[in-house]
Amino acid sequence: GAGVSQSPRYKVAKRGQDVALRCDPISGHVSLFWYQQALGQGPEFLTYFQNEAQLDKSGLPSDRFFAERPEGSVSTLKIQRTQQEDSAVYLCASSPLVIRGYTFGSGTRLTVV
Amino acid sequence: KNEVEQSPQNLTAQEGEFITINCSYSVGISALHWLQQHPGGGIVSLFMLSSGKKKHGRLIATINIQEKHSSLHITASHPRDSAVYICAVRIQGAQKLVFGQGTRLTINP
Repeated sequence: GAGVSQSPRYKVAKRGQDVALRCDPISGHVSLFWYQQALGQGPEFLTYFQNEAQLDKSGLPSDRFFAERPEGSVSTLKIQRTQQEDSAVYLCASSPLVIRGYTFGSGTRLTVV
Repeated sequence: KNEVEQSPQNLTAQEGEFITINCSYSVGISALHWLQQHPGGGIVSLFMLSSGKKKHGRLIATINIQEKHSSLHITASHPRDSAVYICAVRIQGAQKLVFGQGTRLTINP
């Protein structure tokens, strides 16, 4: 596609529910990043893939967060047993090579009630 | 202290005014990015800088590597420029971006 596509755009989850957020990067983009943006704050790094390899997951806040990119294209961020503090916008970005910059998706706004 | 600090956090101005948003960082970087975020969350990349100055339309971005400081300027501001402007850096040797908290800009007609 022409851009980075994220789905769903909005997700309301009950506390304790599992959620899965999807990111379709630009075709051919090797690098894929997930960021979490709390209300009124700048995005914070969660995890990074180079093709199918998860090279950095240092930003995942707990073991309830899990990300995968099994075929080196589409990525899924899964949050188990959601908590209210997980409410945020989850942003995906992809890049062919980071020295050439990044393209961001529109994000998924997760609200945990 | 955050690695990337922006000022001001909020800025309201009248249409036509010259706008400056500042970004300071405390780490060695490979590149600095200025990004624009409209309500609804999507982020658009405005500039990527490693030195000097770039201009695109009414937007100008400058960086001083020695002082670890960058500025984003908007000339002849317009209500459609209202958005959150975010400074982000790619730390040397890393792939990820580290973001500032953003500057919420409102341009009144």
